[in-house]
Amino acid sequence: IAGITQAPTSQILAAGRRMTLRCTQDMRHNAMYWYRQDLGLGLRLIHYSNTAGTTGKGEVPDGYSVSRANTDDFPLTLASAVPSQTSVYFCASSLKGGSASYEQYFGPGTRLTVT
Amino acid sequence: GQNIDQPTEMTATEGAIVQINCTYQTSGFNGLFWYQQHAGEAPTFLSYNVLDGLEEKGRFSSFLSRSKGYSYLLLKELQMKDSASYLCAVVGNDYKLSFGAGTTVTVRA
Repeated sequence: IAGITQAPTSQILAAGRRMTLRCTQDMRHNAMYWYRQDLGLGLRLIHYSNTAGTTGKGEVPDGYSVSRANTDDFPLTLASAVPSQTSVYFCASSLKGGSASYEQYFGPGTRLTVT
Repeated sequence: GQNIDQPTEMTATEGAIVQINCTYQTSGFNGLFWYQQHAGEAPTFLSYNVLDGLEEKGRFSSFLSRSKGYSYLLLKELQMKDSASYLCAVVGNDYKLSFGAGTTVTVRA
């Protein structure tokens, strides 16, 4: 089934632990994105990748890292989780990055709670 | 910086029309998207405007005025399944999306 998958669906994590959120797309999209969604704040961009092998920082990158070793996968790592990283995380992709008109397709999200 | 404002909540009756406004002040402008997000689900694409005017797509229409920094999403013949959050997102100079906080629309029978 074409689209974006994310894993895990939800996770409760102790503060200070390391966690990697997984994202895979099979649409051969060049660009991928990670957002967090918090009540009252909307979606905020964490990191993005316009093409495999390149990444960039978004609006709220601190405490997060990403890699883009291939076209399909774009994992997000929290090196040492803190309670303020409790959020719903969405991965998205678009056919091209650095271009205005290509819609983004979103994965189902990962609900992360840091205690 | 990016500033995108939309109402927090709106309520309407089944079969009615609702207009969701979005005003923006952003670093550059390369288009505006509207997304729909049902509770607990992913956002899905509704519309994209880059030129002034009205774009109609079935029961949904989107309007843009670049000079006024203003857009609206018009939902006609409301159905219960239209109960969702509607997200306004602006493409800035960096070609990244900046989202408003979203408008939750509740459709009542």
